[in-house]
Amino acid sequence: DGGITQSPKYLFRKEGQNVTLSCEQNLNHDAMYWYRQDPGQGLRLIYYSQIVNDFQKGDIAEGYSVSREKKESFPLTVTSAQKNPTAFYLCASSHYDNTEAFFGQGTRLTVV
Amino acid sequence: QKEVEQDPGPLSVPEGAIVSLNCTYSNSAFQYFMWYRQYSRKGPELLMYTYSSGNKEDGRFTAQVDKSSKYISLFIRDSQPSDSATYLCASRGGGSYIPTFGRGTSLIVHP
Repeated sequence: DGGITQSPKYLFRKEGQNVTLSCEQNLNHDAMYWYRQDPGQGLRLIYYSQIVNDFQKGDIAEGYSVSREKKESFPLTVTSAQKNPTAFYLCASSHYDNTEAFFGQGTRLTVV
Repeated sequence: QKEVEQDPGPLSVPEGAIVSLNCTYSNSAFQYFMWYRQYSRKGPELLMYTYSSGNKEDGRFTAQVDKSSKYISLFIRDSQPSDSATYLCASRGGGSYIPTFGRGTSLIVHP
């Protein structure tokens, strides 16, 4: 089945540690995105990528990093510089010229 | 001002009611409009998308865009308890392929 897979579903991290969230898609989409969702704030764009080996900062990129070495994969690293990392993280993808973006099931990150 | 504004609710209705969910947007360059449904602790799923102004119907759902007033609506007929979720509107256009989302409206349909 085609789709977007995020893993893990739940993740716990100690303060000061970096952690990487996985996002893989087999939809042959060009563009991929990472959003952060907090209660009452909707979706905020962290990073996005239009093509392999290229990515751009979104509205809240500080404390995060990404890579796009393969078309299918767009991992997000939450670094220790991110002051408030506990949130629900969503990965999405779309064709470059297509209106529809499809989402994964999300990763809930909790800092303990 | 956010580019896409949406009342967070919650909106509580009885089963069988007609539900109206609404968003406003400020960017006149937006041309594509989407509605997503998100159940608790899940990723959003695309419900409907429309291009420019007009209506689009899919089963119990109707999406409506009025570009003159920058107003986006989603109507749900014969609402069911399974429709209880958060509904997110999104728009894009003006040369950008990145969708801009509203905050989402929480809908509760009680039996």
